[in-house]
Amino acid sequence: DTAVSQTPKYLVTQMGNDKSIKCEQNLGHDTMYWYKQDSKKFLKIMFSYNNKELIINETVPNRFSPKSPDKAHLNLHINSLELGDSAVYFCASSREGADNSPLHFGNGTRLTVT
Amino acid sequence: AQSVTQLGSHVSVSEGALVLLRCNYSSSVPPYLFWYVQYPNQGLQLLLKYTSAATLVKGINGFEAEFKKSETSFHLTKPSAHMSDAAEYFCAVSEKSMRFGAGTRLTVKP
Repeated sequence: DTAVSQTPKYLVTQMGNDKSIKCEQNLGHDTMYWYKQDSKKFLKIMFSYNNKELIINETVPNRFSPKSPDKAHLNLHINSLELGDSAVYFCASSREGADNSPLHFGNGTRLTVT
Repeated sequence: AQSVTQLGSHVSVSEGALVLLRCNYSSSVPPYLFWYVQYPNQGLQLLLKYTSAATLVKGINGFEAEFKKSETSFHLTKPSAHMSDAAEYFCAVSEKSMRFGAGTRLTVKP
């Protein structure tokens, strides 16, 4: 009965590879997000989707491409991985993107690029 | 754009002592403010949120926060720390998207 689930939990890969992270929420929320947490725990928003439409794209390299097949899923595809992409990536969801709606987070995907 | 600043990247308290984690916000309009907690290898969980209904907000696990407009602050407190409170705590402000402070790591000594 996990609310926001992401797979895989760990991802180790080499530079130059392409990888995907999947996210699903069963809360009935309309808005989903991807956040990146670096080694110093700093959290930065990458993308936001509302009902399958891209709402926010925060100066993320175009090697990162989010895809939302339906409002319960938001996947993240990364091309040509670089060392600096190593981080923990969190998926989250909220009601309709309202400012007073809290985020519900998945448990993260730890990406290590070697 | 609205932002939050957390004062102190690391706070250490003894078990049973008062916990005080500081957060200041910058906003030209009444903000929506939040505190989240992150335990090791987990995602963030909501502790409490301020939405202008009351300046003193009570959250889960005995935490509370007070919104002080004159000080542009939203500090998080708990009267008596427990070992299980050891975690990373994030203050956040929401304006079109949720933006987080740098986080404060709370250590609780036995």
